[in-house]
Amino acid sequence: AQKVTQAQTEISVVEKEDVTLDCVYETRDTTYYLFWYKQPPSGELVFLIRRNSFDEQNEISGRYSWNFQKSTSSFNFTITASQVVDSAVYFCALSTPNVGRRALTFGSGTRLQVQP
Amino acid sequence: GAVVSQHPSRVICKSGTSVKIECRSLDFQATTMFWYRQFPKQSLMLMATSNEGSKATYEQGVEKDKFLINHASLTLSTLTVTSAHPEDSSFYICSAVSSGGPNEQFFGPGTRLTVL
Repeated sequence: AQKVTQAQTEISVVEKEDVTLDCVYETRDTTYYLFWYKQPPSGELVFLIRRNSFDEQNEISGRYSWNFQKSTSSFNFTITASQVVDSAVYFCALSTPNVGRRALTFGSGTRLQVQP
Repeated sequence: GAVVSQHPSRVICKSGTSVKIECRSLDFQATTMFWYRQFPKQSLMLMATSNEGSKATYEQGVEKDKFLINHASLTLSTLTVTSAHPEDSSFYICSAVSSGGPNEQFFGPGTRLTVL
């Protein structure tokens, strides 16, 4: 069975602080994809990143960076110099190319509050 | 990127009525669409997989007679909540899988259903 765990339910930081959102996953598949989505109060999911299981290179996009470690089954997300606009719920998700498991399995989400 | 629309974005209905939600892929064909449900302050849970030209596949615990799914064309899937009750009030989000790969999914903006 597939599972995604986001142990941090809620995080509150002050603007300009760095913050890391943790994500741990479980899957029996050797090929899989990991995602991060941002969900602002409007509800619409904003795609942030997709990584496949064969690419362990860390990625940086502006203030966002992701650390993928297969050895610990983790795919953590760091926001550098956080801003108030970063306040949202962030979901980590997993899917595989196998029929029956292509849909995303979402973690429970981490609510990030960035205070001015 | 590819665009997926949902209609309506918000709907309020009386208990016992049926509500139809449409999910459209606007600039690509989607043989597979997924329907998710998100209760307040919770994660997204897969309800069903909608396959064009065939019956939908429902997740355990989701009543197929209550949540009717029709995927009549490569760009449209509909979810009908029959005889809606207050406990069906939720945020319903669809995603469409593009031909770019089994894990290239694009999410609609969601439909907020409130049953009085």
